[in-house]
Amino acid sequence: QKEVEQNSGPLSVPEGAIASLNCTYSDRGSQSFFWYRQYSGKSPELIMFIYSNGDKEDGRFTAQLNKASQYVSLLIRDSQPSDSATYLCAAPLWGGYNKLIFGAGTRLAVHP
Amino acid sequence: KAGVTQTPRYLIKTRGQQVTLSCSPISGHRSVSWYQQTPGQGLQFLFEYFSETQRNKGNFPGRFSGRQFSNSRSEMNVSTLELGDSALYLCASSGGQGTGEQYFGPGTRLTVT
Repeated sequence: QKEVEQNSGPLSVPEGAIASLNCTYSDRGSQSFFWYRQYSGKSPELIMFIYSNGDKEDGRFTAQLNKASQYVSLLIRDSQPSDSATYLCAAPLWGGYNKLIFGAGTRLAVHP
Repeated sequence: KAGVTQTPRYLIKTRGQQVTLSCSPISGHRSVSWYQQTPGQGLQFLFEYFSETQRNKGNFPGRFSGRQFSNSRSEMNVSTLELGDSALYLCASSGGQGTGEQYFGPGTRLTVT
C-alpha cells in the first residue's frame, strides 16, 4: 500500500515569508503528485501538480520533486494570511491517475 | 464553466437508515471519484466511475456503493448507516486527459445519530 506522509504542523510563518511544506512517499513507482489547499469547512482545491524531477512554478507557488529521495515539497513565497489553510499532498494509487492517496495534511498559519 | 456540484450539502440520518448522495461533474468530464473525509482517517478513496463503469474501488465495506449515469452524473449509496459513517463525502471529477487532475465538489456533510 502506497503511503504519503506529511508533517501535520501547524506550521506558523510571518506574513511575507516563504512557507515550505514537505511530503514523502513510499512507492518509488509514483509518477505524479498533487498539492491541494483546504480551508476550514471547505473542500480541497487543486493548486499544483508535478510530474518531472525539479521545480515547477506557478505564481507564488513552487512545487519541487526529487524522485531519488521520494520527496515532494511546496513553497509559498510572500505568504499571506489568506494562505492559512491545510495543504494536502496526494499521489495516485496503482492502476491509474484517478484514485488519489492523500497525506494527512499540514496546517499552515500565516500571521500578520 | 460550472464546477462540480453535490447534493444535498448537509444530511442527518439515523443508524440503520440508508442514504443516497448525488454528484454532477464538470461539463465534459467523464470520470467521477468519491472520497470520504474524517478527522481521524483523513481523505480516503471510495471508488471511481468512468463511462458508467466502476473502474476502481477503495477499501470500504460493501455497504458503500455507487453508480454513474450516461450523462456522467454519479450517485453513491450507503446502506445500514453506522455512527462511524459520519463524514464529509466528496466527489471529484476529472477530464481524463491523462494528467490526473481532480476537481472537488463542495461535499456532503453526513451526520449519523
